[in-house]
Amino acid sequence: EAGVAQSPRYKIIEKRQSVAFWCNPISGHATLYWYQQILGQGPKLLIQFQNNGVVDDSQLPKDRFSAERLKGVDSTLKIQPAKLEDSAVYLCASSLQSSGNTIYFGEGSWLTVV
Amino acid sequence: AQSVTQLDSQVPVFEEAPVELRCNYSSSVSVYLFWYVQYPNQGLQLLLKYLSGSTLVKGINGFEAEFNKSQTSFHLRKPSVHISDTAEYFCAVSDLIRGGKLIFGQGTELSVKP
Repeated sequence: EAGVAQSPRYKIIEKRQSVAFWCNPISGHATLYWYQQILGQGPKLLIQFQNNGVVDDSQLPKDRFSAERLKGVDSTLKIQPAKLEDSAVYLCASSLQSSGNTIYFGEGSWLTVV
Repeated sequence: AQSVTQLDSQVPVFEEAPVELRCNYSSSVSVYLFWYVQYPNQGLQLLLKYLSGSTLVKGINGFEAEFNKSQTSFHLRKPSVHISDTAEYFCAVSDLIRGGKLIFGQGTELSVKP
C-alpha cells in the first residue's frame, strides 16, 4: 500500500516569495491533515479536511496560508508571502475517518525561508 | 483544551539498557493516546496507541506504554534498547468528539550509545 506522498521534499525561498506544497493521501482516506513542525518542537495542526470540507483551520494563519482539497483527494498548501518564521517541515497526514483511526504521515516538505 | 507534556527533552542511554520516556496529558474529556517515532529526515511513524481496554499497550519494535488515568500519564518503555532506536519520540492525544486531530508534545530525543 502506497503511503502519503508529498512534494517537493525541500524548498528554499526568499522572504515575501510564495511557495506551494502538494499532498496525495493514502487511497480511500477521507481525512487529511496539514501540520507544521518547527525545529525542536512537536507538530502543530494547521488544517484538517474531511473529504473536501474543512473541519478545523483554527490555527492556520489565514492572512498568508491557504489550503484546498478540491476533489476530496489531493491537497495543496500555499504560503504567500513567506516570512522567516515559516521555516519548518510541513507534514501531510491522512486517516480513514476521524477519531481513533491511525493517522499516517508523509515524509514532509522542508521549507527554508531566507 | 488539551495539552501534552513530555517531561524529558533528551534521554541518553546505553545500548541494552531499559528506557522510559515520560508523557503527561491534560484534558477535560476522554482521550485517545498515541506514541509516534520520527527518525532523522523522515515523517512520523506510529509506535502504539491506546483507545480503550487494557491499560498496557504493546507496539512495534518492542515498545510498550501504560495508560494511567488517575495520573494522566502514558509513559513509553522498552526493556532493552538498540542503537537503531535513536530517534525523536512524540506523545500525542486526540479527543473523541472534535474530529480526531492529534495534539503533540514537544518531543523527547532518545540517544542510544554503544
